[in-house]
Amino acid sequence: GAGVSQTPSNKVTEKGKYVELRCDPISGHTALYWYRQSLGQGPEFLIYFQGTGAADDSGLPNDRFFAVRPEGSVSTLKIQRTERGDSAVYLCASSLTRREGDEQFFGPGTRLTVL
Amino acid sequence: AQSVAQPEDQVNVAEGNPLTVKCTYSVSGNPYLFWYVQYPNRGLQFLLKYITGDNLVKGSYGFEAEFNKSQTSFHLKKPSALVSDSALYFCAVRYSGAGSYQLTFGKGTKLSVIP
Repeated sequence: GAGVSQTPSNKVTEKGKYVELRCDPISGHTALYWYRQSLGQGPEFLIYFQGTGAADDSGLPNDRFFAVRPEGSVSTLKIQRTERGDSAVYLCASSLTRREGDEQFFGPGTRLTVL
Repeated sequence: AQSVAQPEDQVNVAEGNPLTVKCTYSVSGNPYLFWYVQYPNRGLQFLLKYITGDNLVKGSYGFEAEFNKSQTSFHLKKPSALVSDSALYFCAVRYSGAGSYQLTFGKGTKLSVIP
């Protein structure tokens, strides 16, 4: 079946603008994760959803970042008043369950550039 | 807190030679360990994982990894490297226990296989 998909693949915006990044997980996967990967670094955790609820949002850097998953499938990461430091690749992942041993399957990412 | 160290930013190996990419970790509780590979402009691909049981785990594309609890290591290995193995490799850890949702990644090791 299809893997995790993310749109757009690239997003260029100006400082101060609002952006939305979309993630479509693998069908049937209940757990969904957002990570952020800066150049030369490994991915860093942002937020985790189990079903529709955000079970852990401890990785969100500040209140400009928000994510939703209203129907327990597609998720949207929202960034308000973007800053140049927000430029990174935003990765979405899903896993069948939230069990620690379940591998997470990653999408290709959205490359966000804030000018 | 959990952390992962990949001590080598880059590993160079001749085609046909064995390769090792090193990873050490620090977690409280039992670790769940993962290796992912990232090709240019593509998402992370799962290679293999250690949950419990046999310390030597086998994964995709002929890769294997050895879990060593006393040395808190999980080195990735392959008996004979291919040029197509050239990519960025990430080690990740997740601990067992309540509130364990996120993967913590190392900074990555760039593997170059020389023809």
